[in-house]
Amino acid sequence: DAGITQSPRHKVTETGTPVTLRCHQTENHRYMYWYRQDPGHGLRLIHYSYGVKDTDKGEVSDGYSVSRSKTEDFLLTLESATSSQTSVYFCAISEERQRVAFFGQGTRLTVV
Amino acid sequence: EDKVVQSPLSLVVHEGDTVTLNCSYEVTNFRSLLWYKQEKKAPTFLFMLTSSGIEKKSGRLSSILDKKELFSILNITATQTGDSAVYLCAVEGYNDMRFGAGTRLTVKP
Repeated sequence: DAGITQSPRHKVTETGTPVTLRCHQTENHRYMYWYRQDPGHGLRLIHYSYGVKDTDKGEVSDGYSVSRSKTEDFLLTLESATSSQTSVYFCAISEERQRVAFFGQGTRLTVV
Repeated sequence: EDKVVQSPLSLVVHEGDTVTLNCSYEVTNFRSLLWYKQEKKAPTFLFMLTSSGIEKKSGRLSSILDKKELFSILNITATQTGDSAVYLCAVEGYNDMRFGAGTRLTVKP
């Protein structure tokens, strides 16, 4: 398996609280991505990064922010969690832009 | 707006059957089409297709792309229970990667 670790793997949080999900890679890939997966929608891109401190928005970025201070770590923050952000979140990495090859194991987030 | 549509949404077959999964797309500035297999956790990469008419093959799985008609198919021959999964199609455009909703394949013994 590719060296991608997501933490936590499961989280339950209350509406209005901040939440940070972490993605750590050991592959030294340049590109990192955060997706959410919901029934009927497939995977949708939230944000991605193309280098340290270089990030850009994806299809469903509202309510989310990201940071990448080191090549190996990509953080996704929900500033004030809402029930609509209940989902499974996947981190992914690639050597080339958008040619995603490796996914993390996912984080199941429930906002109550 | 870019979109990727997979069909059928779900499929139940018996071991030994052959299945064909479909992916049609409308994406600006097409670069590639990718297939993934998702069992309980992370999607795992199967194929990347960039050229029409060239079949990619891996064991019992094969895939082909038609850039004129804007679709791809994924074939699985002699299905096994281990093929049970959600199969995802993703299409890479210039600025984006769009995923379809997936086809859930169930292979019964």
